[in-house]
Amino acid sequence: GENVEQHPSTLSVQEGDSAVIKCTYSDSASNYFPWYKQELGKGPQLIIDIRSNVGEKKDQRIAVTLNKTAKHFSLHITETQPEDSAVYFCAAPRSNDYKLSFGAGTTVTVRA
Amino acid sequence: DAGVIQSPRHEVTEMGQEVTLRCKPISGHNSLFWYRQTMMRGLELLIYFNNNVPIDDSGMPEDRFSAKMPNASFSTLKIQPSEPRDSAVYFCASKPRGGINIQYFGAGTRLSVL
Repeated sequence: GENVEQHPSTLSVQEGDSAVIKCTYSDSASNYFPWYKQELGKGPQLIIDIRSNVGEKKDQRIAVTLNKTAKHFSLHITETQPEDSAVYFCAAPRSNDYKLSFGAGTTVTVRA
Repeated sequence: DAGVIQSPRHEVTEMGQEVTLRCKPISGHNSLFWYRQTMMRGLELLIYFNNNVPIDDSGMPEDRFSAKMPNASFSTLKIQPSEPRDSAVYFCASKPRGGINIQYFGAGTRLSVL
């Protein structure tokens, strides 16, 4: 089955700086990689995703990159703002596709 | 769309009591998932329904847990009897028909079993 590892577990950045979270996966058949943001007291919300046929995708201040050869993908947040403070989860589908394997999460704190 | 709706948002109960958590998926979605989130174990998939039929309940921790989906717009997760170790946040998520595995989560139910 799919195994997803996520690093770092915590990340503190100064407002305006960039934040990068990295994930690795084990199943080479995985073809879709979503990122979720979970704010305190709320459920995980999909913020961006990338499919295996592209190497990079950008949406305003967030971007994801995918290296299929190395089986890792990353979330990049530029010009961080206090509202970016949250827990971020990466995920990858398991071989039967209906299950998602989630990373352990990264707690991002943006210091004002 | 209102998104996935879960109720109650918070539940406090005593050990041994029955607990029922409720979920209304996004209209038109045909897959529904129940997850449990704890600090120690992260997000765990408990059960998956497709077209109202339970497909995979291998994540249900024990017989005290049961889930139903009587129709496309409603699902319940029941714990009977509840135990303190069941304390966690329970999420429901739904997915649209076909395509890639995009799951949309509800706000969750925070369960505390005393």
